[in-house]
Amino acid sequence: AQSVSQHNHHVILSEAASLELGCNYSYGGTVNLFWYVQYPGQHLQLLLKYFSGDPLVKGIKGFEAEFIKSKFSFNLRKPSVQWSDTAEYFCALAANQAGTALIFGKGTTLSVSS
Amino acid sequence: DGGITQSPKYLFRKEGQNVTLSCEQNLNHDAMYWYRQDPGQGLRLIYYSQIVNDFQKGDIAEGYSVSREKKESFPLTVTSAQKNPTAFYLCATTKGEYTEAFFGQGTRLTVV
Repeated sequence: AQSVSQHNHHVILSEAASLELGCNYSYGGTVNLFWYVQYPGQHLQLLLKYFSGDPLVKGIKGFEAEFIKSKFSFNLRKPSVQWSDTAEYFCALAANQAGTALIFGKGTTLSVSS
Repeated sequence: DGGITQSPKYLFRKEGQNVTLSCEQNLNHDAMYWYRQDPGQGLRLIYYSQIVNDFQKGDIAEGYSVSREKKESFPLTVTSAQKNPTAFYLCATTKGEYTEAFFGQGTRLTVV
């Protein structure tokens, strides 16, 4: 069975600091990978996705993520965070196998102080 | 306006009562999902359905039931057998398999 692990439960940064949130997955086959964000009081939104091709994917609001197949990782990065990036971030995996569903990690809460 | 509608936004029930959460979509997406979100637990999959009249159990299906009689609708019933039903419930859809999910606003269920 597939699974997703997010290493950091809570990250606290000052504005303009760089961000990297870890995500590792467990699945031996082909995967599609996603990062979602949940701002306080809002519904989950897609930040970025990886299906195939260039392993460095860019998303909305200056976020990017790199797929490293050999490490089963899909870490999220942003060079300079803003106070408005305060939110909960979820990594998710969809295994390219018929009948499977989207699986999420436990999430990382990011708090950015101004 | 295309989207996913979950209702109600807040729901209170007495212990021992069954309760049904509504999820309707007009995106014409094939697959629909129910997740439960608890602090520190992320999103855990309850049930999902990839076609009408068919659904599969997720990781935490015990105490829940679903139906998929129409493409647009995927209601979730939280039964009295669910030991800890108080949570935030999210409905999602995907256009096909392996693609990104779109989420509703969620229903916060409190059982007292």
